[in-house]
Amino acid sequence: KQEVTQIPAALSVPEGENLVLNCSFTDSAIYNLQWFRQDPGKGLTSLLLIQSSQREQTSGRLNASLDKSSGRSTLYIAASQPGDSATYLCAVLRDSGAGSYQLTFGKGTKLSVIP
Amino acid sequence: DTGVSQNPRHKITKRGQNVTFRCDPISEHNRLYWYRQTLGQGPEFLTYFQNEAQLEKSRLLSDRFSAERPKGSFSTLEIQRTEQGDSAMYLCASSQRRRDRDEQYFGPGTRLTVT
Repeated sequence: KQEVTQIPAALSVPEGENLVLNCSFTDSAIYNLQWFRQDPGKGLTSLLLIQSSQREQTSGRLNASLDKSSGRSTLYIAASQPGDSATYLCAVLRDSGAGSYQLTFGKGTKLSVIP
Repeated sequence: DTGVSQNPRHKITKRGQNVTFRCDPISEHNRLYWYRQTLGQGPEFLTYFQNEAQLEKSRLLSDRFSAERPKGSFSTLEIQRTEQGDSAMYLCASSQRRRDRDEQYFGPGTRLTVT
């Protein structure tokens, strides 16, 4: 059974700081990995998707890396802003050969960026 | 393309009542998913449709839960004889698998409160 762990559970940083969020998963047979953002009481916004054959993806100030063999991914946020404050969720999709189509999520990292 | 929509956004019901939620996926997406999220947790998979066929169900989906996707377009999730433990955010997502990539897009969710 796939398990996803995110560390830290919460993080508070001053505005302008660079930061790294960590995600680990137990089964390396993944199809792709997604990072999401969730604001309080809202749905999920997809930030980045990394295919199993890729090592990293970038979008603006965000960079996500994937090391499938070690079961790890990181989300790097450069020059953090108060608007980045949210919960960030990591989710993995099992390899399609396993016949499962569900995303398995971590519990998230709650980020607070202090002005 | 207006994204994934869900209705209602909030539902308050008394224990024992039946409730039904609706999800409208992104129009060209043939895959549709339901997840449930409780406070402080990541979303948990409930069920998956490919077109009109329900191909996967979680053990979380008890006999009181039923989901349909007639004609492979919108989907409904019904909970019969609601219990206080059903209180959660119910999230719908859709996707269209492409080569080496299956990105799920989420709706805003329906928050259910059972009193």
